[in-house]
Amino acid sequence: EVQLVQSGAEGKKPGESLRISCKGSGYTFAGYWIIWVRQMPGKGLEWMGRIDPSDSYTNYSPSFQGHVTISADKSINTAYLQWSSLKASDTAMYYCARRVPGPRDYYLDYWGQGSLVTVSS
Amino acid sequence: DIQMTQSPSSLSASVGDRVTITCRASQTIDSYLNWLQQKPGQAPKLLIHAASTVQSGVPSRFSGSGSGTEFTLTISSLQLEDFATYYCLQTYSTPEYTFGQGTKLEI
Repeated sequence: EVQLVQSGAEGKKPGESLRISCKGSGYTFAGYWIIWVRQMPGKGLEWMGRIDPSDSYTNYSPSFQGHVTISADKSINTAYLQWSSLKASDTAMYYCARRVPGPRDYYLDYWGQGSLVTVSS
Repeated sequence: DIQMTQSPSSLSASVGDRVTITCRASQTIDSYLNWLQQKPGQAPKLLIHAASTVQSGVPSRFSGSGSGTEFTLTISSLQLEDFATYYCLQTYSTPEYTFGQGTKLEI
C-alpha cells in the first residue's frame, strides 16, 4: 500500500528554523517526484515546489523561492521541507504529494496527512 | 504562468442534485487537469485526472470533461459525503503547477 506519512505538528517562534518530513512507503520512492503544497488557515491550496528524489533536482514557485528549501534522502525514502528563519505568515498546513506521470497527463495520486506549522511569539 | 479560475466559488445544493463546477485556464493546458476533493480537516483526495479519467475507487457519480482551456466537474446525484471543497489543478506547465481557488459545496 502506497503511503506518505508526514511529521507531526510544530509550534515555533519567529526567526527559528524548522524541517518537516514526508516519508514514502509501498513504492519505489526515487521513481516519483514529491510535491509540497501550502494551505494557510481557511484558504486554498498553493503549489510550493517539487523534488525528484532520484537526483534531488528541485524547482520552486517564485512565491516560495529563497524562503524554503526542499530536499530528499532517497536512502530512507524521505523528503523534507525546511525554513531557516520562520515568519508568522508561515503558519499553515503543509502537504506532500506524489506526482505520477500518466499516459495523458501528470497527477497527484497520494497525499500525506499534512503537517501543521504554527509560528507565534 | 498559467492561471486557473474556478466558478462558482461557493455553491449551495441538496442531496440528489446534479452539480457542475467549472475551471478555466488562462492558456491551453491540453488535458493536463486534475480535480481534487478536500473535506474539513483532511488532506486533498484525487478524484479525476487527465480531465476525464476517474481515479480508482471514486464513485461513478463523479465525472469530468473538457480540454484546452475549459473544464467541468459534474456530480450526477449529490450524496451527503460529497459536501466538501473542490479544486482543479493544472499539471501542464511542468514543473510549476497551479491550483484553482476552490469551490465550496454546501448544503
